[in-house]
Amino acid sequence: AQSVAQPEDQVNVAEGNPLTVKCTYSVSGNPYLFWYVQYPNRGLQFLLKYITGDNLVKGSYGFEAEFNKSQTSFHLKKPSALVSDSALYFCAVRDGIGYSTLTFGKGTMLLVSP
Amino acid sequence: NAGVTQTPKFQVLKTGQSMTLQCAQDMNHNSMYWYRQDPGMGLRLIYYSASEGTTDKGEVPNGYNVSRLNKREFSLRLESAAPSQTSVYFCASRNPGQVPEQFFGPGTRLTVL
Repeated sequence: AQSVAQPEDQVNVAEGNPLTVKCTYSVSGNPYLFWYVQYPNRGLQFLLKYITGDNLVKGSYGFEAEFNKSQTSFHLKKPSALVSDSALYFCAVRDGIGYSTLTFGKGTMLLVSP
Repeated sequence: NAGVTQTPKFQVLKTGQSMTLQCAQDMNHNSMYWYRQDPGMGLRLIYYSASEGTTDKGEVPNGYNVSRLNKREFSLRLESAAPSQTSVYFCASRNPGQVPEQFFGPGTRLTVL
C-alpha cells in the first residue's frame, strides 16, 4: 500500500522569506511524486513532479522540490514567498511500476503574510 | 482546449434523491478519475477508469456508481443521496505512458440536506 503524510496542517511565512512545505511518502516500488496547488474554489493545478533523475525538481511559479530517497521525503520549497502563493498544497504519490492510482496527502494550507 | 470540464458546478439535493455528475475531457486521455474532497481528508478516490470500457473501485466507492460512456466522458451517479455525500467532487484525467500527472476539472460542490 502507498501513503503520503503532510505533517503540517498550516504553514505561515512572511512575504520574501523562504518557504518549505513538508511531505513524506511510502510506496513499495520506486515512487512517482507530485505537488499540486489549489486556490480557493478552484480545482487542483499541477506544480511539479519527480519521476527519475535529478533529485531537485523545478516547477511552476518558482517552486521546487527535493527528492530524498533515504528520508522518503519530497519537500516543496520556494526561495522567496509571495502573498499570492497563499493556497492549499497537496503532495501525492504513486508506485512507478505498472498502472497505479494516486494517493494524496491531507493538504497543507500555506499562508503568506504581507 | 477546454481540458477537463464538469457539470454542474453546484447542486443541492434532498436525502434520497438521485443525480449524475458529468465529466468530459478533450485531451484524448485514456484514464479518468473521480475524487471527493472533504476538509482535513485530502482527496479520496471514488472510482477510476484506466481505459475506455473499464472501471474500478477506489478508496471510497460505497453509494456511487460510474459509467465510462466513451473515451471523453466519465459520469458519477448517486442513486440515493445521503448527507455524508456532501462534498466537493473532482474529475481528473491522464494519459498513461506519456505524462504521468493528472489534470483536474473545476469541481462540483454538492450539498445533501
